[in-house]
Amino acid sequence: GIQVEQSPPDLILQEGANSTLRCNFSDSVNNLQWFHQNPWGQLINLFYIPSGTKQNGRLSATTVATERYSLLYISSSQTTDSGVYFCAVEHRVGYKLSFGAGTTVTVRA
Amino acid sequence: DTGVSQDPRHKITKRGQNVTFRCDPISEHNRLYWYRQTLGQGPEFLTYFQNEAQLEKSRLLSDRFSAERPKGSFSTLEIQRTEQGDSAMYLCASSGEDRFGQPQHFGDGTRLSIL
Repeated sequence: GIQVEQSPPDLILQEGANSTLRCNFSDSVNNLQWFHQNPWGQLINLFYIPSGTKQNGRLSATTVATERYSLLYISSSQTTDSGVYFCAVEHRVGYKLSFGAGTTVTVRA
Repeated sequence: DTGVSQDPRHKITKRGQNVTFRCDPISEHNRLYWYRQTLGQGPEFLTYFQNEAQLEKSRLLSDRFSAERPKGSFSTLEIQRTEQGDSAMYLCASSGEDRFGQPQHFGDGTRLSIL
């Protein structure tokens, strides 16, 4: 199966700081999604980004499919950004998602 | 668009009992997926439906697990003779279909605890 590696595993930020999360994957994929899992366990869609760059408020993401990695940028972090960020890649056959182990982000006031 | 709905939110049961979970996808989404998430891990794929057809099952889905989507709308996931290792969050997702691809949208999950 496709291996998905996320780094760093844990990130502690001071409110207002910027950060970059990385996702590497081992094979060609159809698409890539970034999720935020809040403390209540809800998986919130952040980006659907097979390639290129997208921005949504203080968050942006870049996927370089030919080099098999994606980056999630958090700017001017807020305490509400705390939680676990998952990268998931969609297999070319069957459309299932394979998830990384996540990056746990803690933003301190 | 009311989102993916899962019921119940929590289920506590004794080892050896059978449990059934329900998932209502976003209307008009023809693809439906089940995933399982254990503490500290990312979700893992269990099975996938396109309309009413179950097209793929993970090796994680032992013989005690069965999933159905009888009319291509809601789906059920049943676990028979539950074991301690079945304790997890069970997540359902749905997506539409077009040639550019569609993102998967997740429900809030059913948290299963086996006593």
